[in-house]
Formats: sequence, C-alpha cells, structure tokens
Amino acid sequence: GENVEQHPSTLSVQEGDSAVIKCTYSDSASNYFPWYKQELGKRPQLIIDIRSNVGEKKDQRIAVTLNKTAKHFSLHITETQPEDSAVYFCAATPPGFQKLVFGTGTRLLVSP
Amino acid sequence: NAGVMQNPRHLVRRRGQEARLRCSPMKGHSHVYWYRQLPEEGLKFMVYLQKENIIDESGMPKERFSAEFPKEGPSILRIQQVVRGDSAAYFCASSSDRGQVNEQFFGPGTRLTVL
Repeated sequence: GENVEQHPSTLSVQEGDSAVIKCTYSDSASNYFPWYKQELGKRPQLIIDIRSNVGEKKDQRIAVTLNKTAKHFSLHITETQPEDSAVYFCAATPPGFQKLVFGTGTRLLVSP
Repeated sequence: NAGVMQNPRHLVRRRGQEARLRCSPMKGHSHVYWYRQLPEEGLKFMVYLQKENIIDESGMPKERFSAEFPKEGPSILRIQQVVRGDSAAYFCASSSDRGQVNEQFFGPGTRLTVL
C-alpha cells in the first residue's frame, strides 16, 4: 500500500524566514496531495492541496510543489509568523481509494 | 454553514466498557471517514463510509471496532470492551460527492481516555 515519509520531524525558524517541509510517497499512481495544519489540541485544517496534473500551486505565503517523477512534494511557507507554529501533515491518496495516508508530521516553531 | 460536528469532545471509559463516538458531516457531504491519532503521532485511516454503506474498512482493527452511517442521523464509531491502548483522539472527516477525490474537512475530534 501507499507509504508517506515526511521530513524534518521538527523545524525551528526565525520570524520572517522561509520554511520547507518535504514528503515522499511510494505509489506513483497516487493523485491527490493535501497539507494539513494542526495546532495543539485542535482539528487538522486543510491549508493547501495539489492534484497530480499540476506541478505547483500557491496561496499567498503558502505554496506546494509536486515532482511526480521523483514521487515527492513539498510545502513552502514564506515570511513565517509565530502563528504559523503548529504541526504540519502531508498526505497522499492511493489510486482507487478515497482515504488519506498521512506522513508522520513536522513540528514547526517560529520564534519572534 | 456548520462544519463537521463530533461528540462527545472528551470521553472517559474504564477498561471493558463501550465507547460510542458520533460524527455529523458538513451539510451537503455524504462521505465520512474516521481516523485515529495516538499521542504525538500522525493520523491513521480507519474506515470510510457513505450512507448505509461501508466502503473501505481496511484500517479498522478486526475485533471490537465497528462503524455505521445510517440513513438518518450521525455516523457512529463503536469500540467495545475498551483497553488502555484505545486511548487516542478520534477524528471524523467528511467530503462532498463530486465524483473525484475531494477535500476532506475534519471535525474537532473525540479524545478517548481509557482508565
């Protein structure tokens, strides 16, 4: 089945810096890749997603890139702010299924 | 437009008791998913349901766990004879019925503690 690996597990940056989180997936036919932000004790919130027919997608300070050949996708956050501090999860959807297979999460800490 | 609703938000059970977790999807959504999150870990898929049908239960433990999504009312995740290892946050998500893989929106979760 699909397996998603996520790196790094923790990431500390200064306010205003950029942050990059990377995920790799195993099933080359997976076709949907969302990113979720989870604050402590809260629900995962969808922040951006990308489908396999697109290479890059941007929404203000957040962007996601997808490299289908290498089977990896990345989340880019520019001009980080303290309120970006949270755990970020990537996920992939295997072909023929609706379920999300999640990575292990990245704890992002943005220091003022 | 209310989001995904889950109740209870916190549930404490003693070993051997039953736990019932409820999920009401977003308005207009007919697909429901249950995920489990152990402390300091990621989310693991358990089951995917549509009204009156279990579509994919590949992530459900073989024993003690069951799920349903009746024609009327919320989806229910039922855990019989709970054990300490069942302590976790259980999240429900829903998506709309547009034929393709769609965005899943999560509820606030039910935090189950087994004493």
